[in-house]
Amino acid sequence: EPEVTQTPSHQVTQMGQEVILRCVPISNHLYFYWYRQILGQKVEFLVSFYNNEISEKSEIFDDQFSVERPDGSNFTLKIRSTKLEDSAMYFCASSAQGTDTQYFGPGTRLTVL
Amino acid sequence: GENVEQHPSTLSVQEGDSAVIKCTYSDSASNYFPWYKQELGKRPQLIIDIRSNVGEKKDQRIAVTLNKTAKHFSLHITETQPEDSAVYFCAASDGRGGDMRFGAGTRLTVKP
Repeated sequence: EPEVTQTPSHQVTQMGQEVILRCVPISNHLYFYWYRQILGQKVEFLVSFYNNEISEKSEIFDDQFSVERPDGSNFTLKIRSTKLEDSAMYFCASSAQGTDTQYFGPGTRLTVL
Repeated sequence: GENVEQHPSTLSVQEGDSAVIKCTYSDSASNYFPWYKQELGKRPQLIIDIRSNVGEKKDQRIAVTLNKTAKHFSLHITETQPEDSAVYFCAASDGRGGDMRFGAGTRLTVKP
């Protein structure tokens, strides 16, 4: 069964550095999402992406964040200047046209020191 | 925006008993309500979902009910097993590829 994949599984970075988290959605899916989950807390929506543009974004998704689909398979989340409070698990998800079901990737644990 | 409340935050049951988790939502435009199970350090896994044109859906030991008028929906797990122990999240969205808002989660412990 196809799955969403994410790399790296764990990223450690210094405060102020830029990070890029990568996702490969399920191949025939057209909607892509990023969520974050601070340790022990709920999953929080960041952004949704369709047809090469952002569909919706939350209040968390400020100017420090950007998303891109650089080619036909990858979907990336960039954090320009990381802060300590960006430390969290970041999940990518995707869904197919005509369905609401979102499939989550295994996540990238981001640690900002 | 949508706000999803989930109760209880923790739930402990004896193996074989039933477990019920309840959620309420605020946005009447929401029409898609999934439930995810998350084991420690793992990704959220969809276990069941319901759309607003349906009042109840069942899949083996798991069922979900939806009351659109009252804006609440519930997860029912019957004949619980120790492997059901996990954190369960409800969520709500308007199903147009937009944002999906999660509840705070319920940590279910099934004691053998």
